[in-house]
Formats: sequence, C-alpha cells, structure tokens
Amino acid sequence: SYELTQPPSVSLSPGQTANIFCSGDALPRQSAYWYQQKPGQAPVLVIYKGTERPPWIPERFSASTSGTTGTLTISGVQAEDEADYYCQSVDSSGSYWVFGGGTKVTVL
Amino acid sequence: EVQLVQSGAEVKKPGESLTISCEGFGYTFTTYWIGWVRQRPGKGLEWMGIIYPGDSETRYSPSFQGQVTLSVDESFTTAYLHWSSLQASDSAMYYCARRGVNIFGPIEGFDAWGQGTLVTVSS
Repeated sequence: SYELTQPPSVSLSPGQTANIFCSGDALPRQSAYWYQQKPGQAPVLVIYKGTERPPWIPERFSASTSGTTGTLTISGVQAEDEADYYCQSVDSSGSYWVFGGGTKVTVL
Repeated sequence: EVQLVQSGAEVKKPGESLTISCEGFGYTFTTYWIGWVRQRPGKGLEWMGIIYPGDSETRYSPSFQGQVTLSVDESFTTAYLHWSSLQASDSAMYYCARRGVNIFGPIEGFDAWGQGTLVTVSS
C-alpha cells in the first residue's frame, strides 16, 4: 500500500522558519495537501493542490514539491503554530487517499 | 458558513453494532463528497473512505474495506458510518470531512471537518 513519510518532530524558536517534509513515490504526479491539528481539535486544511493556501490561512504558510518530497514551510513561526502537521495525497491510481504519520512542531 | 455536525460520543461493547452520523449545513450536500477519517488515541490520521451523496458512489481504503459501511441520506443531508460488529481496536475518534472543490472540480483534500465522534469499545 502507498505510504507518505514524515519526520516525527521538529523543534524551533519563535521567528525561525520551519520546513516540514513529506516523502512519497507518487508526489511527482499527485498533489500534496497539508493539515494542522491542535490538541483536542479537528484538523484544518492549510495547503491544497501542492501550493495553494485557503483564505483562512496566514501568508506565513507556504508549500512546494520537488520530486518525491513535499515541503510545508512556516516562515517566522509563532507560538500559535505549535501543532501536529499532516501531509496527505493520493496513490498513483488516484483512487485511494493516504495521510503521512504527522510531524509535531514544537515552538520553544 | 459550512458546518459538519457529528453525533455524540458512544460507548459500546465488543460485538455490538454502531452507526454514527455527520450532518452538513451551509452548502449543497449532494454535490460534495464526504470522507471519514480515523484517529486512534495519540496516533495519526487514517483515511477510511469517501462517498458521493449525489449517487452514493463509494471508495474504501483497503484497510477498511469490509470492516465498515458508508452511506448517506440526502434528504436529511446526513452521512453515516456503520459497524456491524465492533472490536476494541475500533476505539478512536472518527471525523467526517468534506472533499473540497476548486474551479476545476473536486480536489483530493478535505476543506471542512466535523468536530469528531469519540467511539469507545470496551467490555
């Protein structure tokens, strides 16, 4: 079955730039999506179709894909950005969706 | 405002059946796919499957095929997730979510989520 691989955790200080990676063999052909989930809350879409940001998401969130690796970037991270971040995409057939294991972002 | 409102927490015994619901508000329910996502305690998100209310077309993750049943009642703008025989390993938070749409059509991501339904299965 198709898998997306993320690092389990990232720690950084306020104002730094966070890069969260997501690896998957189908990412050259299928878009990556990114979600933010804070404790006790439902996930929230932060990036869709690889690079697009919904209107409710701050401009400091951006994303890109190069080859089999997608990257979510948080520029000038703030304390409120502390959360779990999940990438999501579909397999090469386009039929089955899959989530990465999630990356916990800690703002020290 | 788009809202997905899920049914309340459930406590069940192994072997019992269960149906949880997800009602959509603020948009045309029949024209957006609804998906279901499992999150076990302290774990990540797992895509279970997706259903199109307009014609009940359904796709299941191979991991959940045969384990659960997705359905919709378009007249009540509600989607359902059903288990015929629960196991302790089904204990989790379950989210419904709406598949988003852009100007080119449906996207492969969820743009709105329900608040979650906590299911506890214990003898």
